[in-house]
Amino acid sequence: QVRLQESGPGLVKSSGTLSLTCAVSGDPISSRNWWSWVRQSPGKGLEWIGEIFYSGATNYNPSLKSRVTISVDRSKNQFSLELTSVTAADTAMYYCAIPHSDYDYYYDYWGQGTLVTVSS
Amino acid sequence: DIEMTQSPSTLSASIGDRVTITCRASQSISRWLAWYQQKPGKAPKLLMYKASSLESGVPSRFSGSGSGTEFTLTISSLNPDDFATYYCQQYNTSPWTFGQGTKVEIK
Repeated sequence: QVRLQESGPGLVKSSGTLSLTCAVSGDPISSRNWWSWVRQSPGKGLEWIGEIFYSGATNYNPSLKSRVTISVDRSKNQFSLELTSVTAADTAMYYCAIPHSDYDYYYDYWGQGTLVTVSS
Repeated sequence: DIEMTQSPSTLSASIGDRVTITCRASQSISRWLAWYQQKPGKAPKLLMYKASSLESGVPSRFSGSGSGTEFTLTISSLNPDDFATYYCQQYNTSPWTFGQGTKVEIK
């Protein structure tokens, strides 16, 4: 049973960089091929941010692509999200999640989420 | 992007009621649709995938149907534990997109 736990600063200054980590436990991170980030804000609901493949290949939401980097550190059993040039619109609950398989991109594993507030 | 539209946004119902939530896609997604339940302060929980497949451990009072652009989630007899917000998600075409949610409230 895979367990996911997000961590990172809860407050980020406007124009700064949001950095979050998702720790994977219960199964080796290598047991899965894809790892994803999803966020949820009151104004926009659930929004898929992007995902990374075990090879390092990434797939980002075009709406965020210019500002997003997702990386994986297999030695630490974790993957990370960086979002640059943040604004108040990036204030949201951020979830890490794992899609069911290489072909079924629905999410059966979610972290508990971490709230990030962008301050001016 | 494929836009997912749920209706209604809010639904008031009583224990034992049959409840139906609709999700419409802006273009055909075949049957590549999932449904989630979310309670306050919690992550979404997977209920259904491939439009009508019930996730393991989810009560059989939940069912899903549809294909193409129109889908429904039905709760056959509303249980106190079912008061929550429900989301659909398409995974036919990246970027994967979600509906705006349907809140099921106590009448």
